Amino acid sequence: DADVTQTPRNRITKTGKRIMLECSQTKGHDRMYWYRQDPGLGLQLIYYSFDVKDINKGEISDGYSVSRQAQAKFSLSLESAIPNQTALYFCATSEPTSGGAKDTQYFGPGTRLTVL
Amino acid sequence: KQEVTQIPAALSVPEGENLVLNCSFTDSAIYNLQWFRQDPGKGLTSLLLIQSSQREQTSGRLNASLDKSSGRSTLYIAASQPGDSATYLCAVPPGGSEKLVFGKGTKLTVNP
Repeated sequence: DADVTQTPRNRITKTGKRIMLECSQTKGHDRMYWYRQDPGLGLQLIYYSFDVKDINKGEISDGYSVSRQAQAKFSLSLESAIPNQTALYFCATSEPTSGGAKDTQYFGPGTRLTVL
Repeated sequence: KQEVTQIPAALSVPEGENLVLNCSFTDSAIYNLQWFRQDPGKGLTSLLLIQSSQREQTSGRLNASLDKSSGRSTLYIAASQPGDSATYLCAVPPGGSEKLVFGKGTKLTVNP
């Protein structure tokens, strides 16, 4: 079974609809992230969470909100979807190594969202 | 603001060739640098992570080097195979930050 799962894998919706993307992990990591990937733009960070009580905005948080329901679950919501939010969305987790060094991030398979 | 650039954007080589992918970053105050592989329709898989105190890391046919002072990293792939075809991304966490800044990737095609 995959360590980081995302649902749904694909979603087509209409402008103005509320959409929720879900991420679950079995790695036991405290840190979770949401990214979006657009062709030619690379990955951009939307939100990140260091634990269930610590949520932070990333580079492009406008139009998005998140909820950290538990250590293992981190959801991304689009309150009123618009066409330029059409993208590939990735969830990731990480855990710092001892000594403060930053550890690798583990990515889910992605959700392809299309807003018409 | 940290910026990450990957050159070339796309590369096509015949099977068996050794190749080098390049990554440059503008702010040398980084904790580490990661190389990822992305297959079409799939997520990112971490290939190598080099800590700032290291100069290189190896995994199988892959070797990644890091030169912090010049803001550069290279990913060397030996004896390339068609299965190596994917997009390769490098990413760095800016100093003091948990967040990753990604390059736009190099799309590699290895032809049989």
